[in-house]
Amino acid sequence: SQQGEEDPQALSIQEGENATMNCSYKTSINNLQWYRQNSGRGLVHLILIRSNEREKHSGRLRVTLDTSKKSSSLLITASRAADTASYFCATLAGGGNKLTFGTGTQLKVEL
Amino acid sequence: NAGVTQTPKFQVLKTGQSMTLQCAQDMNHEYMSWYRQDPGMGLRLIHYSVGAGITDQGEVPNGYNVSRSTTEDFPLRLLSAAPSQTSVYFCASSYVSGGASADTQYFGPGTRLTVL
Repeated sequence: SQQGEEDPQALSIQEGENATMNCSYKTSINNLQWYRQNSGRGLVHLILIRSNEREKHSGRLRVTLDTSKKSSSLLITASRAADTASYFCATLAGGGNKLTFGTGTQLKVEL
Repeated sequence: NAGVTQTPKFQVLKTGQSMTLQCAQDMNHEYMSWYRQDPGMGLRLIHYSVGAGITDQGEVPNGYNVSRSTTEDFPLRLLSAAPSQTSVYFCASSYVSGGASADTQYFGPGTRLTVL
């Protein structure tokens, strides 16, 4: 079963706008990771946040983690057409070795 | 560094045939894993390994075998292909750090498998 569930399933915005995607999970985690997948390609790691961290930044990306609500959000600021892709969260359960992916958010950034 | 490489890129099998998907990494990563990706299902973990000689099952292991004789290679074997195994298969690797496995994953380009 999927540990993480992304919301929304699909998101369409204009270039320059911000995009926010959410991920909810079910069990306690060691870390949570976000990945991007362009159509027909492999996944590319974006950012990893550990369970004892609340917020991380990387360029135009901002990730937050709320372990009390078992949720995370990915914010992409000033989006570009090149950000069009599917975005997945993945969780590593506490004490486990299995990384579990959600079903993804399809982001479309229009010119 | 080549990173994570997978062969073949595409494969068509007939029901009942067997084959091996190859995965290799040159980053000296301890952790390697196989996922399958189906439309609307995200990625599901098939098998993983935390080091040479150590493998374990993921979420959907039935119909697949793995072995890890070296740090670099992690082949996935389909024993008797079925149409339900039509999917895109991704191999990934990572370091083990901070007392946890499955740190930042590096993915291969994928193998698109069709079983007729």
